[in-house]
Amino acid sequence: DAKTTQPPSMDCAEGRAANLPCNHSTISGNEYVYWYRQIHSQGPQYIIHGLKNNETNEMASLIITEDRKSSTLILPHATLRDTAVYYCIVRVVSNQGGKLIFGQGTELSVKP
Amino acid sequence: EPEVTQTPSHQVTQMGQEVILRCVPISNHLYFYWYRQILGQKVEFLVSFYNNEISEKSEIFDDQFSVERPDGSNFTLKIRSTKLEDSAMYFCASREDRARNRNQPQHFGDGTRLSIL
Repeated sequence: DAKTTQPPSMDCAEGRAANLPCNHSTISGNEYVYWYRQIHSQGPQYIIHGLKNNETNEMASLIITEDRKSSTLILPHATLRDTAVYYCIVRVVSNQGGKLIFGQGTELSVKP
Repeated sequence: EPEVTQTPSHQVTQMGQEVILRCVPISNHLYFYWYRQILGQKVEFLVSFYNNEISEKSEIFDDQFSVERPDGSNFTLKIRSTKLEDSAMYFCASREDRARNRNQPQHFGDGTRLSIL
């Protein structure tokens, strides 16, 4: 089972910031938080990941709380093309394969 | 930007037939994965592959499934005798292997839609 909980759906106005929360209260010290999204009929697309520090790349920012029990993915200026299902996943980093366990994710609808 | 490519995009097969799904991972990646997504359901892990052997597999990955890296570039998933319930999107993913930085993300292809009739 997925170790994260996310709201099933969210709306966001185009051009505004989208803030997607994720709860991972049982996260272990060696588990990273990964965010992916899936646009209809496509494969999951990697967005960003982090361990404990906040991270930013060209797609998004990831804010992880100090206790690491929750995180927020921020899309600073959402566009209609950001409409997708967003998955928050925790993964152990090890010498093994490191499978991803997907939950139901958050369906983000960006509206004009 | 390098990407994972999968062929075919859509495969229609009669129940009981064998099917092979093909993937070309990103060239410097050493970890390979197959996932599936039944229509309307979650993405599910099937198998991971590293150094020419399976490193982990799920309960779904039974004796009807096999994986192979036949030529150093392709990574294939074979289903020996397909069932109706094998109908799904099958996604291949690959990941870089850095000894000092094992948190590199998996990158996914756009999948093969497998339809069993």
